[in-house]
Amino acid sequence: SYELAQTLSVSVALGQTARITCEGNNIGSKNVHWYQQKPGQAPVLVICRDTNRPSGIPERFSGSNSGNTATLTISRAQAGDEADYYCQVCDTSTGWVFGGGTKLTVL
Amino acid sequence: EVQLLDSGGGLLQPGGSLRLSCAASGFTFSNYPMSWVRQAPGKGLEWVSAITGSGGTTYYTDSVRGRFTISRDNSRNTLYLQMNSLRVEDTATYYCAKENPVGGTNYFDFWGQGTLVSVSS
Repeated sequence: SYELAQTLSVSVALGQTARITCEGNNIGSKNVHWYQQKPGQAPVLVICRDTNRPSGIPERFSGSNSGNTATLTISRAQAGDEADYYCQVCDTSTGWVFGGGTKLTVL
Repeated sequence: EVQLLDSGGGLLQPGGSLRLSCAASGFTFSNYPMSWVRQAPGKGLEWVSAITGSGGTTYYTDSVRGRFTISRDNSRNTLYLQMNSLRVEDTATYYCAKENPVGGTNYFDFWGQGTLVSVSS
């Protein structure tokens, strides 16, 4: 089965850039999607198909995907960006797969 | 405005049954595949089941196959998850999610608020 690995936690200073990674075997050949989940709330899509921002998502959020690593980048981090972030792909044999999630702390 | 309203969660004993519902509005329901995604307390997201727009094809994660059944009523714009033979490890918040199938991939562009299922003896 296909698996995605994420770092458990990432910290970033206020106003700096945070990078959250998602690792999977040849993940660069797949489309990766990213979700933000704040405590007690449902997830929200922040990046789809590697690099695309849905309507309403700030330009500070961007994505990339190559080789075995996909990356969600949050520029000029704000306190409101504190959340859990999950990557997701569709795999032909496993189905819809999520990474384990990364907790972002803004210091 | 797209809205997904999950309901039907509750507390029950192992071996019990429950049916979750998700009422959809704000989009042409029958045009889109839908999924259920769950989250155990303090844990990450886990995809559970999916269904095509017509309802003709369904998919399940291995741990629920044979116990859970996903279905939809396109005349009522409602998604269902029938959960039988429930186990303690099925305890989670269950979210319905609208899928957007674009460019050969599916992602979840809208989510319900979630409904809590607790299985305990």
